[in-house]
Amino acid sequence: QSALTQPPSVSGSPGQSVTISCTGTSSDVGTYNRVSWYQQPPGTAPKLMIYEVSNRPSGVPDRFSGSKSGNTASLTISGLQTEDEADYYCSSYTSSSTLVFGGGTKLTVL
Amino acid sequence: EVQLLESGGGLVQPGGSLRLSCAASGFSFSSYAMSWVRQAPGKGLKWVSGVSSGGSNTYYADSVKGRFTISRDNSKNTLYLQMNSLTAEDTAVYYCAKAMGGSSWHKSDYWGQGTLVTVSS
Repeated sequence: QSALTQPPSVSGSPGQSVTISCTGTSSDVGTYNRVSWYQQPPGTAPKLMIYEVSNRPSGVPDRFSGSKSGNTASLTISGLQTEDEADYYCSSYTSSSTLVFGGGTKLTVL
Repeated sequence: EVQLLESGGGLVQPGGSLRLSCAASGFSFSSYAMSWVRQAPGKGLKWVSGVSSGGSNTYYADSVKGRFTISRDNSKNTLYLQMNSLTAEDTAVYYCAKAMGGSSWHKSDYWGQGTLVTVSS
């Protein structure tokens, strides 16, 4: 199972919006709405930010939103804050009953 | 408060075995699926294995199938990962993660702090 494709890095200034893409195939992202997004600041454990494409767990700011079109899922962070600087990973359930992660995207808040 | 505490990591020689444990507290352990996810030094997250709440359904990444075994003891609120025939490619921090439901191991809302496994001679 190949990893989902994410851009290695994205950046934005405080207050701006950024979008991170996550491209899979018809065997994962394209077929299942079981796409999640995780935030991982350096040296810490991952934190769930979005599940099932667009749902936010309690406590996650509504500045974080998710969507999907075809084989590509996206995470949008609006009103960027310095505390958002972290690595972000998408994941998707697959037709093989496994889970595949993206390679990760480093978000820099300038 | 949900807590997940991994243990059992360490240095092991290639071809060796190791058993990781994850002690859970703060939630009804037997009601939730669980997963193991690993992260090699400086690399991204890789899913390793998942298990349903009752333990009857297990799932593995191709890279560990036949070598790793996930299990759980709901009476002890503990998740396990038995790792055999270890290679250098298995070197990573191993995270235990709680699912959002009994079979929803694909979405994890709580993660432990991880335990480091180093495979080296």
